[in-house]
Amino acid sequence: GQNIDQPTEMTATEGAIVQINCTYQTSGFNGLFWYQQHAGEAPTFLSYNVLDGLEEKGRFSSFLSRSKGYSYLLLKELQMKDSASYLCAVRDRNNFNKFYFGSGTKLNVKP
Amino acid sequence: EAQVTQNPRYLITVTGKKLTVTCSQNMNHEYMSWYRQDPGLGLRQIYYSMNVEVTDKGDVPEGYKVSRKEKRNFPLILESPSPNQTSLYFCASRYSTDTQYFGPGTRLTVL
Repeated sequence: GQNIDQPTEMTATEGAIVQINCTYQTSGFNGLFWYQQHAGEAPTFLSYNVLDGLEEKGRFSSFLSRSKGYSYLLLKELQMKDSASYLCAVRDRNNFNKFYFGSGTKLNVKP
Repeated sequence: EAQVTQNPRYLITVTGKKLTVTCSQNMNHEYMSWYRQDPGLGLRQIYYSMNVEVTDKGDVPEGYKVSRKEKRNFPLILESPSPNQTSLYFCASRYSTDTQYFGPGTRLTVL
């Protein structure tokens, strides 16, 4: 399996930038995903990293360092609607169909 | 509209009474999965399927069964539900790309 760590909860101000970190075991890794989940709703895909570096997608960016077992999700120009949980997930190296999720980071955006 | 549907959305039942949660996708995806989500534990994969008649265990398969007789459907069966299976369940599907599309969730309570 995998041990994936994320902070439980974070608070940030509207218009600001926030970074949500995720660490995982480096062995058995084959791709890292970020999902957004609003309360009471299904997770929706945000980003995917398999190589080192930064992937930018509008206000959201995701970074990966495979050697350090580390990723972060960067949210810029925060909006109230960004209040949600952000889930980090890792795909198993030996089985492309197995995914391991962190417990999620609840982000509270305040005015 | 491309979507994953689940039924029922909410279910309260009693210990030992067999139940089935249905999942259907209209995207012709090969891969489908079932997850449960519990506070502090994140999403955990129960079973997955690579195609019709091909299924395998995820991280927490005990107490669950699945079947994949048609490509679009992937029902989750609890033969003898117990209170520790009280949870929020999500079905997900994907093509050969990495993005998983999640259904709206089924909140199950076993008394």
